[in-house]
Amino acid sequence: AQSVTQLGSHVSVSEGALVLLRCNYSSSVPPYLFWYVQYPNQGLQLLLKYTSAATLVKGINGFEAEFKKSETSFHLTKPSAHMSDAAEYFCAVSFRGGSNYKLTFGKGTLLTVNP
Amino acid sequence: NAGVTQTPKFQVLKTGQSMTLQCAQDMNHEYMSWYRQDPGMGLRLIHYSVGAGITDQGEVPNGYNVSRSTTEDFPLRLLSAAPSQTSVYFCASRILYEQYFGPGTRLTVT
Repeated sequence: AQSVTQLGSHVSVSEGALVLLRCNYSSSVPPYLFWYVQYPNQGLQLLLKYTSAATLVKGINGFEAEFKKSETSFHLTKPSAHMSDAAEYFCAVSFRGGSNYKLTFGKGTLLTVNP
Repeated sequence: NAGVTQTPKFQVLKTGQSMTLQCAQDMNHEYMSWYRQDPGMGLRLIHYSVGAGITDQGEVPNGYNVSRSTTEDFPLRLLSAAPSQTSVYFCASRILYEQYFGPGTRLTVT
């Protein structure tokens, strides 16, 4: 079975500071990994994805994530936080099980950016 | 392309009422799914479909019913609403491993 753990339900940073949102996964086969962002009262938007190509993945809005198989991690980072980054972030894992790429989500991390 | 659309955006029901949440996509994706989002719980899969005429249960299917008569539409039915079904509902369609989400329906059951 696959699962995702996001460490920290709430992360608070100052504007201009490093953003680090942690995600660890469990999967019995090579995973596909995703980060989604949800702004208040909106749907989910794909931020970036890892699909077994380069282990360092760059996404939209200056975010990137690194797949580390030995640590079963896929942490999301951004060098300098902007006020507009305040949102909820979800890590998700999928793998090809039969014909089904079932997607399993973490519980989310709410990012607050302080001026 | 409109992508994935959902109606209504907001709905208030009384306990015991029934309703259908609508979902449509115009990307010709075979795979569609319904999730519910609750605070601190992330998104949980309710039902999914791998093509017209084929549906299956997800993680939290109780109290919900689905059918898939066309590739484009995947409605979610609540037969007898309960307060525990107060949530935000997201529909999604998928091509290979990449999912596209609708804007959501915020449902309150009183």
